[in-house]
Amino acid sequence: DGGITQSPKYLFRKEGQNVTLSCEQNLNHDAMYWYRQDPGQGLRLIYYSQIVNDFQKGDIAEGYSVSREKKESFPLTVTSAQKNPTAFYLCASSPTTVPSGNTIYFGEGSWLTVV
Amino acid sequence: GENVEQHPSTLSVQEGDSAVIKCTYSDSASNYFPWYKQELGKGPQLIIDIRSNVGEKKDQRIAVTLNKTAKHFSLHITETQPEDSAVYFCAAKPLSNFGNEKLTFGTGTRLTIIP
Repeated sequence: DGGITQSPKYLFRKEGQNVTLSCEQNLNHDAMYWYRQDPGQGLRLIYYSQIVNDFQKGDIAEGYSVSREKKESFPLTVTSAQKNPTAFYLCASSPTTVPSGNTIYFGEGSWLTVV
Repeated sequence: GENVEQHPSTLSVQEGDSAVIKCTYSDSASNYFPWYKQELGKGPQLIIDIRSNVGEKKDQRIAVTLNKTAKHFSLHITETQPEDSAVYFCAAKPLSNFGNEKLTFGTGTRLTIIP
């Protein structure tokens, strides 16, 4: 089935550790995104990438890093510099060609808890 | 940048009644308005979207209306059913040939259908 796969679904991190969240898509989409969602809140953009080997900061990039070495993969690293990392993380992708472009599709999310 | 406000934050309706969720946006350049449904612990799922060249779009029990002059758009769900219970997010962004404008989300509406 085509879609966006995030792993792991649940992740626990000790303070001071870096963790990496995986995101893979087989939709052949050019653009990929990472959003953060806090309980009862909306979605805030962390990073996005329009093409391989290129990415831009979103609204809350501090304490996070990404890479885009392959079209289908966009991993997110939550570094120890992120002071409040406990949240629900959502990966998304979209085609960028018109007219089908611009619609964003989401994965099922990853829960990160700092212990 | 774009700012999207969404109301109400919570909404309870009797099964079979209609539900209406309203959003306003600030950037007159925005011309793409999707709505997402998010069930507990899952990623948001696109349920309907509208582009600014139309004022209304329907898909079975779901409809979206857009008033570009007033900069607001609304989601209408008729004949509500228990499975409609979820959090609903509106969003706005400019359409482009490159897809690099960010999608700005509202803060969400928790809809509860009372059996």
